[in-house]
Amino acid sequence: AQSVTQLGSHVSVSEGALVLLRCNYSSSVPPYLFWYVQYPNQGLQLLLKYTSAATLVKGINGFEAEFKKSETSFHLTKPSAHMSDAAEYFCAVSDRSASKIIFGSGTRLSIRP
Amino acid sequence: EAQVTQNPRYLITVTGKKLTVTCSQNMNHEYMSWYRQDPGLGLRQIYYSMNVEATDKGDVPEGYKVSRKEKRNFPLILESPSPNQTSLYFCASSPFGDFGNTIYFGEGSWLTVV
Repeated sequence: AQSVTQLGSHVSVSEGALVLLRCNYSSSVPPYLFWYVQYPNQGLQLLLKYTSAATLVKGINGFEAEFKKSETSFHLTKPSAHMSDAAEYFCAVSDRSASKIIFGSGTRLSIRP
Repeated sequence: EAQVTQNPRYLITVTGKKLTVTCSQNMNHEYMSWYRQDPGLGLRQIYYSMNVEATDKGDVPEGYKVSRKEKRNFPLILESPSPNQTSLYFCASSPFGDFGNTIYFGEGSWLTVV
């Protein structure tokens, strides 16, 4: 069975600081991995996805994530946080045979001025 | 513009009063799904549909029904709502099969059952 664990329900960083949101997955087959962002009162929007091509994936708004099979991780990073990055972030996993995508419990990112 | 549209966006209802949340997509996607979002639990799948007249249970189907009579529409039905169904609901759609495809989400429906 697939699962996703997001470490830290709330992360707070200063504006301009590095953003690191952690995600570990469990899957018996090569996974597809996703990061979604949810701004207040909105639906989820895809930030980036890994589908077995390059292990370093670049997404929108300056975010990127690296697929590390040996660590079963897919952490999300951004070199310099902006106030507009404040949102909730969800890591998710699926595979070719699955009929669904499994979401993590989410990490709320706050940005301090 | 590619869209998943849900209605209503906000609803307060009473226990036991049947309600339907509609969902429509304009991208000709085969796959549609309903999720509920609760604090600390992320998104949990309620039901999904791989195509017209093909629906199946997700992780938390109890208390819900769905139908898929047309490709574009996938309504969520609460026959007898209870307070534990108070939640934020999302409809989503995606091209069939390969889940490397992006999932498109609606803006969400806030449901309160009193």
